[in-house]
Amino acid sequence: AQTVTQSQPEMSVQEAETVTLSCTYDTSESDYYLFWYKQPPSRQMILVIRQEAYKQQNATENRFSVNFQKAAKSFSLKISDSQLGDAAMYFCAYRGSGYGNKLVFGAGTILRVKS
Amino acid sequence: GAVVSQHPSRVICKSGTSVKIECRSLDFQATTMFWYRQFPKQSLMLMATSNEGSKATYEQGVEKDKFLINHASLTLSTLTVTSAHPEDSSFYICSARKGQGNYGYTFGSGTRLTVV
Repeated sequence: AQTVTQSQPEMSVQEAETVTLSCTYDTSESDYYLFWYKQPPSRQMILVIRQEAYKQQNATENRFSVNFQKAAKSFSLKISDSQLGDAAMYFCAYRGSGYGNKLVFGAGTILRVKS
Repeated sequence: GAVVSQHPSRVICKSGTSVKIECRSLDFQATTMFWYRQFPKQSLMLMATSNEGSKATYEQGVEKDKFLINHASLTLSTLTVTSAHPEDSSFYICSARKGQGNYGYTFGSGTRLTVV
C-alpha cells in the first residue's frame, strides 16, 4: 500500500521569507500523481499544486513550487515570499494512476507565518 | 472550475438520532465521491468510496451500518450517521473528482457534527 510521510508537524516562517515543507512517499507504481493541499482555519481543502510523476519538470504555481525527486520518492513544497494568508495546515497527497483511485494523505504540517 | 457543495456546514443532534450530510457536484458529474473524517489537527481519514449506482466501498474499521452512504445520482452522494453517539462528533468532508487524467479532487466545505 502507498504511504505518505510528512515529518514536520509544525513549521514557522517569517513573513516575506521562504519555507520548505517536506514530503516523502512510498509506492511501487511508476505512474502516479502528487498534490499539495492547503487547509486554512476555515477547514476548506484547497489544491495548491500538483505534479505528474512522468514529468521531470517541477511544477510551479506563482509563489509555490515543488522539488520532485522521483528516485528518492520525495516531493517538497517551497513557499516563497510567505504571506500571512499562507498560514494553514498543509497536506501532501498521493494518487495512483487508475481512475477512481483514492487520495492518500500525509499527516500534515502546520505552517505558522510570523509578522 | 469544479465545485462541490456540502450541507449542512454544522449540525448538532441528540444522541441516538440520525443525521444526513449531502455532497453535490454542482458543475460536473462525479461517478465517484469520497467521504473523509477529520479530527482536530489531524489528517483526513478516508471512510468510504461512493460509486454512483452501486454500493459504497468502506475502509477497514468503518462501520457500514452506522455510516450509510448513498450515491443515487451522478451529482449527489449522502452520508447518514445512524444512531449517532458523542464519539461520532467530528468533521466530515466529501470530495469528488472531475473526469480522468491529472485532476485533483475537489472538496466540499465540510460538516461539523456535534452529538450531544
